[in-house]
Parts: sequence; structure tokens; C-alpha cells
Amino acid sequence: AQKVTQAQTEISVVEKEDVTLDCVYETRDTTYYLFWYKQPPSGELVFLIRRNSFDEQNEISGRYSWNFQKSTSSFNFTITASQVVDSAVYFCALSEAGGRETSGSRLTFGEGTQLTVNP
Amino acid sequence: ETGVTQSPTHLIKTRGQQVTLRCSSQSGHNTVSWYQQALGQGPQFIFQYYREEENGRGNFPPRFSGLQFPNYSSELNVNALELDDSALYLCASSRNSYEQYFGPGTRLTVT
Repeated sequence: AQKVTQAQTEISVVEKEDVTLDCVYETRDTTYYLFWYKQPPSGELVFLIRRNSFDEQNEISGRYSWNFQKSTSSFNFTITASQVVDSAVYFCALSEAGGRETSGSRLTFGEGTQLTVNP
Repeated sequence: ETGVTQSPTHLIKTRGQQVTLRCSSQSGHNTVSWYQQALGQGPQFIFQYYREEENGRGNFPPRFSGLQFPNYSSELNVNALELDDSALYLCASSRNSYEQYFGPGTRLTVT
């Protein structure tokens, strides 16, 4: 069975601080995908990134960066120079990649981390 | 915006009633997945529809059922509503990329 753990329930920082959101996952699959989603108060889940289990290169997108370490089953997310608009719940998710024709598969989500960035 | 729409936005039902939620997928997407998100928790997978057939189901009872139409839009039906069914219901569409794009959700309250 797949499982995603986000140990940090809530994080509060002051604007311009760097913040890292932790994600640890469990899966028996050798091929899988990892995701991060942002959920602002409006409720819609906003896709941030997808990583293939074979690609352990870290990725940077503007103020966002992701550190994927297969050896520790972790996929951490760092926001540099945080802003008030970054305040939201962030979810890490995992899906299998069984090679079926169908797209998407099912996502297994963690419980989420509520990030509050104070001015 | 993702191009995925859901209706209605909010809904209040009484225990024992039935409800239908609707989702229009993003153009070009052939797969719709439904998730239930209880307050303060992560979304839980209900089921997925691919080319009008159910393609995977989570740990939800049979009173949760769905449909997908030829235009790939989808419905989620819940019979015999229980208080614990109160949640945000999210649908997501995708096409061969494993990137699921979510709609704004339907907030269901069961009293």
C-alpha cells in the first residue's frame, strides 16, 4: 500500500524567510510519480510539480525548489524568500505508474501542511 | 485556472437523501477522478473514469457511484447520505500525463 506522510501540520514564518516542507513516502512500486499541490483558502488544488521516480535531479522554479532523495524516500519542497501569497495548505502526493494506457492513476495524498506567512 | 469546472459550488442535504455532483473535464482530457476531502485532511480517492468506464476505486461503499459521458464530463452520485459524507468533493481531469488538474470542488453539507 502507498502512504505519504507530512509530519509538519502547521508552519508559521515571517515574510522573506525560507521554509521547507517535508514529505516522506512509502511504496512497493519501482516506478512511481511524486507531486506537490497547493490549496489556497478557495479550495482548488493547484498543481506545482510532478517527478518521475527515475529522475532524482533537484528542480528549481523561481522561488520554489524540490529535493527528491530516493534513498530516504523523501520529496521535500522549499520556498525561498516566502511571501504572504504563499500562505496555503500544501499537499504532497504519490501515484503509481503501472504503464497502463489510462492516464493519471490514483493519487495518494498526505495530510497536508498549513503554511502561514506573516507580513 | 485549470479549465475543470464543477457544479454546484455548495450544497446542503439531509441525511438519507441522494445527491449528484457534476464535473466538466479540461478540453482534451479523457480521464476524470473523484476525491473526497474531509475538513483538515488530505483528499481521498473515490474512483476514476476512463473512456466512460470505471477504472479503479478507492475504499468507498457502493452507495458512491459515478458516470462518465461521451464528452468526458462526469457525475458523482451518493445515495443514502450520512453525516460523515460532509466534505469537499474534488474532481480532477488528466490525459496521459499523470498530471491531474483539479476543479474548484463542491462543498457538501449533510444535516
